[in-house]
Amino acid sequence: SQQGEEDPQALSIQEGENATMNCSYKTSINNLQWYRQNSGRGLVHLILIRSNEREKHSGRLRVTLDTSKKSSSLLITASRAADTASYFCAPVGGGFKTIFGAGTRLFVKA
Amino acid sequence: EAGVAQSPRYKIIEKRQSVAFWCNPISGHATLYWYQQILGQGPKLLIQFQNNGVVDDSQLPKDRFSAERLKGVDSTLKIQPAKLEDSAVYLCASSLEGLLKTQYFGPGTRLLVL
Repeated sequence: SQQGEEDPQALSIQEGENATMNCSYKTSINNLQWYRQNSGRGLVHLILIRSNEREKHSGRLRVTLDTSKKSSSLLITASRAADTASYFCAPVGGGFKTIFGAGTRLFVKA
Repeated sequence: EAGVAQSPRYKIIEKRQSVAFWCNPISGHATLYWYQQILGQGPKLLIQFQNNGVVDDSQLPKDRFSAERLKGVDSTLKIQPAKLEDSAVYLCASSLEGLLKTQYFGPGTRLLVL
């Protein structure tokens, strides 16, 4: 199995600030995905980065991947109150079951 | 494109009663997942189907939980009898076959066992 472990567990910032959360995993991957979960809802896929990519952007999101360190980071720039949610990483490896970690709880204060 | 549908959205039952949840995945998605998410934790995979075959049910408490996916489309998850610790959100997700495995989640069913 392949579990992503997010860090920090919780993060509180002011609106307009940037938020960075990290993910570590243990085995080789095909790709790594980030998901967001608003309170009481299902998870929503945010972005996918392949193992041969180092950085990817989508709107205010920037994801980096360092396969040598088996880690990834998600940066949300110019955060908004609506970004308040839990964020999960999902490492995907050939044949391995992907296990979600406990996530990072982000709280953006207006 | 319609998303993953789940019903009911909420359910309150007493312990030892039985309950069933329904999921309709995105059309064409061969893989279907059921997750249990306890408050404050990440989703825990209960069972994964590929078409109508079970790929992984290693974390499904088989003495009380069962799931089926008839005809490789809709799926039901049943708990019988329910325990207090089954109170959680039950999430259904689906994905296409292949290495990308991007999962699309339904809104979930919030279960409270009293």
